[in-house]
Amino acid sequence: DQQVKQNSPSLSVQEGRISILNCDYTNSMFDYFLWYKKYPAEGPTFLISISSIKDKNEDGRFTVFLNKSAKHLSLHIVPSQPGDSAVYFCAASDSGTYKYIFGTGTRLKVLA
Amino acid sequence: SQTIHQWPATLVQPVGSPLSLECTVEGTSNPNLYWYRQAAGRGLQLLFYSVGIGQISSEVPQNLSASRPQDRQFILSSKKLLLSDSGFYLCAWSSGGRGTGELFFGEGSRLTVL
Repeated sequence: DQQVKQNSPSLSVQEGRISILNCDYTNSMFDYFLWYKKYPAEGPTFLISISSIKDKNEDGRFTVFLNKSAKHLSLHIVPSQPGDSAVYFCAASDSGTYKYIFGTGTRLKVLA
Repeated sequence: SQTIHQWPATLVQPVGSPLSLECTVEGTSNPNLYWYRQAAGRGLQLLFYSVGIGQISSEVPQNLSASRPQDRQFILSSKKLLLSDSGFYLCAWSSGGRGTGELFFGEGSRLTVL
């Protein structure tokens, strides 16, 4: 039972354009969402998060949008840079538990 | 500042041998601790988490076990490794209450079972 899904295993974007990574979830109890970036053979690093009381959160080039009715969130990276090339994971948690559930990841390649 | 370390970074073990991966967190007290695994081409699978010394919650029944002998120490073990145990193991910590803060990850441990 995959509660958090990233249906696009990979995405290629030209440098300077927008990257949009998508994530869907099934558990309506999830109320906190996070995005992580991961390079090979390293631990994931935190990018940005959003609480379910908001529908948008921005941090520099990164913006996360949350659509609770659709159980969908997305990460926008503008402008995309070659250094953004990595695997991106979305994660969700339920403030009633201590568990963080991750998606399967999307490999982003930013072409110079 | 808080740091998290896990070791060994790389491990090659024969099938049926034991396993011990260790993780320690510095600069914080009473962290929530987690073990995740990333198998080849897969996402991050939650294996165990702990909210206090001696308290372990298991998410996936298998031949792995976890222990928390000290507040900031989390150990992943197996008595007999299987081929399917190969993967990239990640320790992580969070502070505060239930599911509302960041997870901070260690550098990871690559386990290959032959």
